[in-house]
Amino acid sequence: SAVISQKPSRDICQRGTSLTIQCQVDSQVTMMFWYRQQPGQSLTLIATANQGSEATYESGFVIDKFPISRPNLTFSTLTVSNMSPEDSSIYLCSVRQEADTQYFGPGTRLTVL
Amino acid sequence: GEDVEQSLFLSVREGDSSVINCTYTDSSSTYLYWYKQEPGAGLQLLTYIFSNMDMKQDQRLTVLLNKKDKHLSLRIADTQTGDSAIYFCAEINNQAGTALIFGKGTTLSVSS
Repeated sequence: SAVISQKPSRDICQRGTSLTIQCQVDSQVTMMFWYRQQPGQSLTLIATANQGSEATYESGFVIDKFPISRPNLTFSTLTVSNMSPEDSSIYLCSVRQEADTQYFGPGTRLTVL
Repeated sequence: GEDVEQSLFLSVREGDSSVINCTYTDSSSTYLYWYKQEPGAGLQLLTYIFSNMDMKQDQRLTVLLNKKDKHLSLRIADTQTGDSAIYFCAEINNQAGTALIFGKGTTLSVSS
């Protein structure tokens, strides 16, 4: 299975600032995703990170708020821009390695004051 | 649209079997998954089943799929305190290239 790491593992930020979360995979993967898990909730897909092109965003998520980069097949970043307390969540990177398995990183726990 | 439903809580005694249930609405689902999330941790893929299978067993875990009723269950035999976690059911229609759709999660509490 793919080994996924995320940085930072947690952060406390002030409202109005931005945070960039990094996701590194130990092998090349075709599909990478970013999810959000709000406190006590399930996971919601933010976007699919496409290598070499713009990310594909789900309804309710926009590029200006959550810009995503995917410069190669092992790395992606998610930026949470102009943060507010409502952005306090766990942000998870996920990869699909073969057709039938999808793995998740350990998550980045963000608290916005 | 797709929807995945789970009961929110399950409480069992150590050594008993746990059964966590899930229903889904997308009849085109190709794979169904169970993930485990321990407190403060990410999601661990426990097991998955392809939609043309009825059952899959992996050590203490048994997955049953009733495709007609769109019902999925995860049975944990000899439940241990270390099994206490949130269990998420998820489904995907791989042919459509969509990402996973998750249920809200079932919190399993195991008492000794």
